[in-house]
Formats: sequence, structure tokens, C-alpha cells
Amino acid sequence: GNSVTQMEGPVTLSEEAFLTINCTYTATGYPSLFWYVQYPGEGLQLLLKATKADDKGSNKGFEATYRKETTSFHLEKGSVQVSDSAVYFCALGPSGSARQLTFGSGTQLTVLP
Amino acid sequence: DTAVSQTPKYLVTQMGNDKSIKCEQNLGHDTMYWYKQDSKKFLKIMFSYNNKELIINETVPNRFSPKSPDKAHLNLHINSLELGDSAVYFCASRGTSGRAYEQYFGPGTRLTVT
Repeated sequence: GNSVTQMEGPVTLSEEAFLTINCTYTATGYPSLFWYVQYPGEGLQLLLKATKADDKGSNKGFEATYRKETTSFHLEKGSVQVSDSAVYFCALGPSGSARQLTFGSGTQLTVLP
Repeated sequence: DTAVSQTPKYLVTQMGNDKSIKCEQNLGHDTMYWYKQDSKKFLKIMFSYNNKELIINETVPNRFSPKSPDKAHLNLHINSLELGDSAVYFCASRGTSGRAYEQYFGPGTRLTVT
């Protein structure tokens, strides 16, 4: 079945540092890929998405590229801010027999001033 | 202009009680979900409804019963609450646009069973 393996946290960075959160997946077919963000005390929000191979999703300075050859969708940001502190979830859209999103385990990011 | 709303936001109750969580979406979406998030932030899908019909029912104790009176509402009723039911419960909804499959989440209901 479909699965998502996400970099374990927690991750702690200083403000303006470079961020990478790794995400790899196993899937039947070619699902859409997503990053969701959960700020403290809130629900998940879609951060960015990519619907086909080589697509790059971007939003709020975050980027991720759909890499079919490495089955990866790593999240990057060049300069993090304290306000980026949150839990980040990589997710796989439905494909094959999977009918719903498949979420990774989440990565807690803390950015220190 | 809340897209997906849940009530209550916090729910503290004793073991053995029965409680309900309500969810409403004003996005015109056809599909709604309930997720459970544990203390380690792991998300587990519980149920999915499409146009008021149950389409996904993961391995969840039958003490949990979803009910969809119309496609804008999906409520969750829990009987005989147990300590292990303590978690944050999220409602979500999805439209039918193409293959993007974006889900919109509510703010969550933090359930504490004592």
C-alpha cells in the first residue's frame, strides 16, 4: 500500500537558517503530493502541493519538488523565521487502492530567535 | 468566514460518559472526514462520508459513530468514553476538483477523558 516516510523531529534551528525536511514515499501510480503545516493549537493547513513529476510547489518561501526518480518531496526554505515554528506533514494523495490522503508522521520545527 | 468549524474546541469528561463533537463546512464540499491525532501528532483517519454516505470506516471501535445529517455536517458521537480516547479530533472536507485532492481541516477538538 501507499506510505510516507518523513524525517523525524524535532528540528531546532536558529532564525535565518536553511531548512530541509525530508519526505519519501511509496505509492502505486502517480499521486499528488502535499505539505501541510500545523501551527500550535490549530488544524492542518495546506502549505503547498505538486500534482505531477518535476512540478515544484511553493508558498510562503517554502518549496518542494516532486521527484519521481527518487520518490521524494523534500521541503525546503532558505531562511526560516520564528513564525515558521510548527509541525509539518508530508502527504500522499490517493492512488491505486488507496482512497484517501496518506500522512507522514509529522516533523516538529522550532525556530529560535 | 470559517470554512470548517468544530464544536466544542475543548471537551473534558469522565470515563464512561457519552459525548458528541459537531462539524460543519461552508465550502460546498461533498466529502468530509474525521481524524484522530495522538499526543505524538500522529494522524489517523477514522471515517469519511461522501454526500452523507459512509465511504471509509477504518478500524475504529464501534463506540464511535459518525452521523451526517446533510453534506455540510458530519458529527461524531462517542459512547462509553475511555482514557485512550483522549486526543485531538479533526474534521476535514474535500471538494471534487480534479486530482489535487486538497483537504481543509477544522481547528480541532481536544478531548480529555479523566
